[in-house]
Amino acid sequence: GENVEQHPSTLSVQEGDSAVIKCTYSDSASNYFPWYKQELGKRPQLIIDIRSNVGEKKDQRIAVTLNKTAKHFSLHITETQPEDSAVYFCAASGAGANNLFFGTGTRLTVIP
Amino acid sequence: DGGITQSPKYLFRKEGQNVTLSCEQNLNHDAMYWYRQDPGQGLRLIYYSQIVNDFQKGDIAEGYSVSREKKESFPLTVTSAQKNPTAFYLCASRAGVSSYNEQFFGPGTRLTVL
Repeated sequence: GENVEQHPSTLSVQEGDSAVIKCTYSDSASNYFPWYKQELGKRPQLIIDIRSNVGEKKDQRIAVTLNKTAKHFSLHITETQPEDSAVYFCAASGAGANNLFFGTGTRLTVIP
Repeated sequence: DGGITQSPKYLFRKEGQNVTLSCEQNLNHDAMYWYRQDPGQGLRLIYYSQIVNDFQKGDIAEGYSVSREKKESFPLTVTSAQKNPTAFYLCASRAGVSSYNEQFFGPGTRLTVL
């Protein structure tokens, strides 16, 4: 099955700086890559996703890039704000598989 | 709130007791999932169901059981066989067929074994 690895496990940045979280996946058939944000004690919520036919997608301060050849994708947050502090999970889903395979999460702390 | 509800929000159980966590969705989604989340950890899949009256084991199914008698409901029973059940349990649902469909999570149930 699919195996998703996520790094780093913790990340601290100064407010206004950028943050980058990286994930790799093992199944070349995976074609959908969402990112979820989970605030303390809350449910994970989708913040951005990308399909395998696209190399990059941007939504205001967040962007995701995908390298299918290398089988890795990354989340980029620019101009970080304290409210960006949360745990971020990457995931991958393949054709024919209705499951999402999650990374282990990155705890992002934005220092005011 | 995404159309998925879980109850109760907090649940306390004595050792040796079975408990059932409720998950209901009104999104008309075919697929439903149960995840377990331990403090500072990721999401581990317990069971999933892609259609009514059918379900499959996830990565950590031992000590848990589920049923899917109705499309909108996917209750999870934590049995006394589960050795360390204290955790945050998340239910999720997803429309079927396409792998591009967004997965929505419920608000979670925090289970504590006393």
